[in-house]
Amino acid sequence: GQNIDQPTEMTATEGAIVQINCTYQTSGFNGLFWYQQHAGEAPTFLSYNVLDGLEEKGRFSSFLSRSKGYSYLLLKELQMKDSASYLCAVRGGSGNTPLVFGKGTRLSVIA
Amino acid sequence: GAVVSQHPSWVICKSGTSVKIECRSLDFQATTMFWYRQFPKQSLMLMATSNEGSKATYEQGVEKDKFLINHASLTLSTLTVTSAHPEDSSFYICSARDDPFFYEQYFGPGTRLTVT
Repeated sequence: GQNIDQPTEMTATEGAIVQINCTYQTSGFNGLFWYQQHAGEAPTFLSYNVLDGLEEKGRFSSFLSRSKGYSYLLLKELQMKDSASYLCAVRGGSGNTPLVFGKGTRLSVIA
Repeated sequence: GAVVSQHPSWVICKSGTSVKIECRSLDFQATTMFWYRQFPKQSLMLMATSNEGSKATYEQGVEKDKFLINHASLTLSTLTVTSAHPEDSSFYICSARDDPFFYEQYFGPGTRLTVT
């Protein structure tokens, strides 16, 4: 089976840095993804990790440790518009397997 | 980037009726499309994997006779919710890949279904 855990809610201050953790247990591994989803909208792709280490893309960075089954998404210089749900998703197995999502972390950015 | 559209964006129907949701890949061919369902404040739950020209693969607990999936072409997949009930009210999102071995899945904007 597959199990993906992430905190349900987080609150952070505008301009600060926040780290959203994700742990996973899957049968097979073919990449870990982070998506942002605003209420009532479809998810939008943020990052992809398949090898250990840190991937940086502007204000967003994502880290992966395959041996620990662990990832985090780091958001810097938080803005109010970053208030959204952040979904950790894993692609297990190989080939054409679909993404399996965690329950998402609702981030509230406050002034 | 690749674009996936869904139609309608929202629909209200009466209990017992059927509703069809379309998912189209606008600028690429999608051999595989995925259908997800999302209840309020929940994450996306995979319902089925739809392959062009073959039967869909349903996840455990998803009734294939209730949620009919047809992937008739490389750019269109449809999900029909038959004999809808209020508990089927949800946000339905489709997703597609243009290459089975490429990492990214592109998501449609979703369809909000309300069954009264």
